[in-house]
Amino acid sequence: QKEVEQNSGPLSVPEGAIASLNCTYSDRGSQSFFWYRQYSGKSPELIMSIYSNGDKEDGRFTAQLNKASQYVSLLIRDSQPSDSATYLCAVNRVNRDDKIIFGKGTRLHILP
Amino acid sequence: DGGITQSPKYLFRKEGQNVTLSCEQNLNHDAMYWYRQDPGQGLRLIYYSQIVNDFQKGDIAEGYSVSREKKESFPLTVTSAQKNPTAFYLCASSREAGSYEQYFGPGTRLTVT
Repeated sequence: QKEVEQNSGPLSVPEGAIASLNCTYSDRGSQSFFWYRQYSGKSPELIMSIYSNGDKEDGRFTAQLNKASQYVSLLIRDSQPSDSATYLCAVNRVNRDDKIIFGKGTRLHILP
Repeated sequence: DGGITQSPKYLFRKEGQNVTLSCEQNLNHDAMYWYRQDPGQGLRLIYYSQIVNDFQKGDIAEGYSVSREKKESFPLTVTSAQKNPTAFYLCASSREAGSYEQYFGPGTRLTVT
């Protein structure tokens, strides 16, 4: 099982709709979870971090964490064309060096 | 402006040559990291440093070397021993070694022919 798994996409969502991005992880001891946004040819930008079960909202973004199911998701409300990017999920791997491990990312395309 | 700078943005080298990528931060962060990203791949950790004069190998350290002589600087040398050096190289930093929130520089795209 991969340490962090994401559907590579592309995920196409109409403008104004909710985009839902999912991520599963294998290390049951993981405590820290992050979502990064990466535009084509650019570096990743941290957009959300979550450490406790439940939801965390920041503007149009909501991160959801379910440690029992080893699942973390990112919801983007009122999707805009500028949200079109690759979204990387990152998790700390406690069972090794406690460093952050990144998923391969999900490409999101917002349809105008 | 606080941030992380990487230079150059694009770098071209011939096979067999060593090349050094620069990474500088003025965020006063203790920890710094080097990743490489290949098309369709996640970020893979090359080296990291939690404090000045100390650094550790990441998942793919073979063919790379680093130094951390100053808190602000963490240069990466891609040696001729690295079999597939062409990639997008990303430097990141975090406030302290125990902090997982990492902030990235703009990256250096290295092409070796």
